[in-house]
Amino acid sequence: EDKVVQSPLSLVVHEGDTVTLNCSYEVTNFRSLLWYKQEKKAPTFLFMLTSSGIEKKSGRLSSILDKKELFSILNITATQTGDSAVYLCAVTMFSGGYNKLIFGAGTRLAVHP
Amino acid sequence: EPEVTQTPSHQVTQMGQEVILRCVPISNHLYFYWYRQILGQKVEFLVSFYNNEISEKSEIFDDQFSVERPDGSNFTLKIRSTKLEDSAMYFCASSWQGSYEQYFGPGTRLTVT
Repeated sequence: EDKVVQSPLSLVVHEGDTVTLNCSYEVTNFRSLLWYKQEKKAPTFLFMLTSSGIEKKSGRLSSILDKKELFSILNITATQTGDSAVYLCAVTMFSGGYNKLIFGAGTRLAVHP
Repeated sequence: EPEVTQTPSHQVTQMGQEVILRCVPISNHLYFYWYRQILGQKVEFLVSFYNNEISEKSEIFDDQFSVERPDGSNFTLKIRSTKLEDSAMYFCASSWQGSYEQYFGPGTRLTVT
């Protein structure tokens, strides 16, 4: 069965801390791994990773994929209260010309002032 | 910045009633998706749609569900006879190509009483 597992399930930090969120997966015909940030409603796209070892970076957020060990990490440096959200990891598989996303349960991050 | 929109934001209906959830995907996107998230649970894939037909559907997407693209902009999800367990947040998503990242709408919270 295809699955995506995120850890930790929740995390409480103080502003300025650095956090690392983990995502491991077991899927057939892996195509890509995506990270989303979910605040109140819609998941907001952060990164899409398809190749091992290439870091994607956007401001204080960065992510990397290891296709050999089947995991990805999302790093957030110098956290701010606005980073408080649920971070979702999702994986896509080769399945015709389209992608369906298989989501993990998410990591709930709370950043306290 | 283009975004996916959904209406209504919240729909309350009685068990057995039909509901139609509406989505306007990003205008140049070709692939469309519906996902749902039951409160406290993972985001789950329902259906993908391309070239005016269903590409793939999950086991959740039974005969009570249907999708349609009635014109060049709207993408709808119909539930014919709602059940209590259909209560969830329903997200529409779209992507330009099947292999590209998916962008999510703000969701419709469906409450079946």
